[in-house]
Amino acid sequence: QKEVEQDPGPLSVPEGAIVSLNCTYSNSAFQYFMWYRQYSRKGPELLMYTYSSGNKEDGRFTAQVDKSSKYISLFIRDSQPSDSATYLCAMRAGANSKLTFGKGITLSVRP
Amino acid sequence: IAGITQAPTSQILAAGRRMTLRCTQDMRHNAMYWYRQDLGLGLRLIHYSNTAGTTGKGEVPDGYSVSRANTDDFPLTLASAVPSQTSVYFCASSDAYKRSYNEQFFGPGTRLTVL
Repeated sequence: QKEVEQDPGPLSVPEGAIVSLNCTYSNSAFQYFMWYRQYSRKGPELLMYTYSSGNKEDGRFTAQVDKSSKYISLFIRDSQPSDSATYLCAMRAGANSKLTFGKGITLSVRP
Repeated sequence: IAGITQAPTSQILAAGRRMTLRCTQDMRHNAMYWYRQDLGLGLRLIHYSNTAGTTGKGEVPDGYSVSRANTDDFPLTLASAVPSQTSVYFCASSDAYKRSYNEQFFGPGTRLTVL
């Protein structure tokens, strides 16, 4: 089993839809959970960060971590065409430990 | 503008040739990384450097070498390129002392094709 599994996609939704992106993981030592967004032909950029379990909201984006189930989610409300990108989950055990990425899911928001 | 620059943007290379991908950051970050990104495989760490003068192997180091002579530069060398090294290469940097979660900042990438 891979350390981090991410739904492969791709995912296509109409503008205004609520999007749910998910990752599961096997390493119970992971404490730092991140979502990176990557536009076509660009480098990834950090979108959301969460430490340990719980929710974090930033505008239309909500990151959720359930450590008991080893499951993290990113919710996008009122999705916009500008949200069309590849979303990668990433996690690490300690601040200086290796960052492990999911394979990424490509989201397309149709106008 | 602060950030990471990579060169070249793209390159087509004959198998067996030597190639160095350049990476420079101006954020004075202590740690730097090289990843390759392949369809269906995601981002995989090739080599990393926690501070100038030190380097370490990542998940897929074979066929690649790095050096870290100073804080700003972290070149990646393919000594004898093979077609399986066709990929998009990303350089990243982070400053563990600034943020506890150690955010990594990525460059724009180098698209390498080995024929």
